[in-house]
Amino acid sequence: AQSVTQPDIHITVSEGASLELRCNYSYGATPYLFWYVQSPGQGLQLLLKYFSGDTLVQGIKGFEAEFKRSQSSFNLRKPSVHWSDAAEYFCAVGGWDTGRRALTFGSGTRLQVQP
Amino acid sequence: GAVVSQHPSWVICKSGTSVKIECRSLDFQATTMFWYRQFPKQSLMLMATSNEGSKATYEQGVEKDKFLINHASLTLSTLTVTSAHPEDSSFYICSAGTGWGYEQYFGPGTRLTVT
Repeated sequence: AQSVTQPDIHITVSEGASLELRCNYSYGATPYLFWYVQSPGQGLQLLLKYFSGDTLVQGIKGFEAEFKRSQSSFNLRKPSVHWSDAAEYFCAVGGWDTGRRALTFGSGTRLQVQP
Repeated sequence: GAVVSQHPSWVICKSGTSVKIECRSLDFQATTMFWYRQFPKQSLMLMATSNEGSKATYEQGVEKDKFLINHASLTLSTLTVTSAHPEDSSFYICSAGTGWGYEQYFGPGTRLTVT
């Protein structure tokens, strides 16, 4: 079965500082990888996705992520965090799992931005 | 593009009553729709997957007689919580997918409170 691990439950960074959110996945074949952001009381917004090709993926709001097959990782980065980036971030892996098309989410990382 | 709406965004109902939540894809045809449940400060848990014109496929542990899902058209899916109880109070999020891809577009969510 596929799984996603986000080891950091909560991260606090200062505004303007760089950010890296970790994501490790377990999947037998080439995974489809996603990062979503959720503001309080809201649905999920897609930040970026990786299907194939260039392992460095650019997304919206200045985010990027790098797929590293050898490390089974898909970490999310941003060079300079803005106060509006404070939210919950979910990494997800898509693929066939137990006979069905599925999207499996990590437990999420809550980002707090200090002024 | 790829906008998904949910209605209502917030609903309060009395224990024992039923409540219907609508999920609509506004600018694309959704061959598959997904229903998730999210508890406070937790990740999304997939409840069921539905394909247009077919019966929904429920995840293990989800009561199909309690959570009725209908996917009558390529743009509309509904989730009906029957005989609601306080433990059904949660944040329900739908998503929609196209074709055989794994990318999902999420609605803004519906907060259900059962008193």
